[in-house]
Amino acid sequence: ELKVEQNPLFLSMQEGKNYTIYCNYSTTSDRLYWYRQDPGKSLESLFVLLSNGAVKQEGRLMASLDTKARLSTLHITAAVHDLSATYFCAVDLMEYGNKLVFGAGTILRVKS
Amino acid sequence: GAVVSQHPSWVICKSGTSVKIECRSLDFQATTMFWYRQFPKQSLMLMATSNEGSKATYEQGVEKDKFLINHASLTLSTLTVTSAHPEDSSFYICSASGQGRSNYGYTFGSGTRLTVV
Repeated sequence: ELKVEQNPLFLSMQEGKNYTIYCNYSTTSDRLYWYRQDPGKSLESLFVLLSNGAVKQEGRLMASLDTKARLSTLHITAAVHDLSATYFCAVDLMEYGNKLVFGAGTILRVKS
Repeated sequence: GAVVSQHPSWVICKSGTSVKIECRSLDFQATTMFWYRQFPKQSLMLMATSNEGSKATYEQGVEKDKFLINHASLTLSTLTVTSAHPEDSSFYICSASGQGRSNYGYTFGSGTRLTVV
């Protein structure tokens, strides 16, 4: 059974600080996604990582994928309040006809 | 970009009644659609996967007779919650993947907040 573990589950940080969210998974996969969810809303796609060593950046967020270590990271640089949300990683189980298995989510609160 | 429209965005219904939620891909052909439910402060749990013209594949523990899924065309899938009870109250989200999209991945609908009273 595929397990996707995110940590931390809750992150409170000051504006201007850096931090990393980790996503470990237990089976082989070359595709990993990061999503953002605001309260009461659906998912917003942040990054699609398609291969080992993939690195993508958008604004203050940068995601990377190490398929050998089965690890993805979402790095936050100089956090601002607007980044407060819940962040999910999701692993694509391609061998099962493509379906996503989600991590538990990381609740991020950026304090002014 | 790819857009998936989900309706209604919220619905309140009485116990014992049925509720239908629609999920439409607006600018691509959704060969596969997925239905998730999300309880407060929890992650998304996949309920079922449907391919156009085929019966849905349900995840373990999901009652297929209670959550009826129809994927009759490449642009529309519906989820009907039959004989709804308060424990069915949740946030339901659909997602679609398919042809004509510019990148890999899945497009999510805006979600439906179901409250059963």
